[in-house]
Amino acid sequence: KNQVEQSPQSLIILEGKNCTLQCNYTVSPFSNLRWYKQDTGRGPVSLTIMTFSENTKSNGRYTATLDADTKQSSLHITASQLSDSASYICVVTVTSGTYKYIFGTGTRLKVLA
Amino acid sequence: KAGVTQTPRYLIKTRGQQVTLSCSPISGHRSVSWYQQTPGQGLQFLFEYFSETQRNKGNFPGRFSGRQFSNSRSEMNVSTLELGDSALYLCASSSEVRGLEAFFGQGTRLTVV
Repeated sequence: KNQVEQSPQSLIILEGKNCTLQCNYTVSPFSNLRWYKQDTGRGPVSLTIMTFSENTKSNGRYTATLDADTKQSSLHITASQLSDSASYICVVTVTSGTYKYIFGTGTRLKVLA
Repeated sequence: KAGVTQTPRYLIKTRGQQVTLSCSPISGHRSVSWYQQTPGQGLQFLFEYFSETQRNKGNFPGRFSGRQFSNSRSEMNVSTLELGDSALYLCASSSEVRGLEAFFGQGTRLTVV
């Protein structure tokens, strides 16, 4: 069964600190993995996308890693800001004839001043 | 380039009624997907339309239906509303290159009372 699991479910950190969010997937056949940021009441916005051959990708203070062997990805946020408070969703694309997105349930991050 | 536009933003309906939500994709995008997002379930895939044809379908009852017009605009209809249909309904568009980024709209917040 295609599944994407994220941890932790929620996280509270102080402004300026770093944090790492995890995403484990059991998906086949794998096409790519994306991390989305979703502010409350708004639609998700893509942060990074990685294919099978990519190990790491950065977008400003956001760095995503992918280990295709262990089927794990992480999103590292450096020097957190209050505006980082949001839900972070890991999405894996499956391609088998057509394509399908498998969504994780997300990690809700709260950054405190 | 204008983003994905969903209307209305908010909607309150009573049980048993039916509702139609609208989504205008990014210009040039022919794929439109619909998702239901609830706090407990995360993002659940409803269906995807490409060039006026339903290409993928999630595990939702037949009360949920959709269609896509020749200009790629899409509508989603829910008949015989139930309290459990209360959710944020998100629409995403992408180009015909499979696996490319899905751009999300702001969503329609549906409340069934």
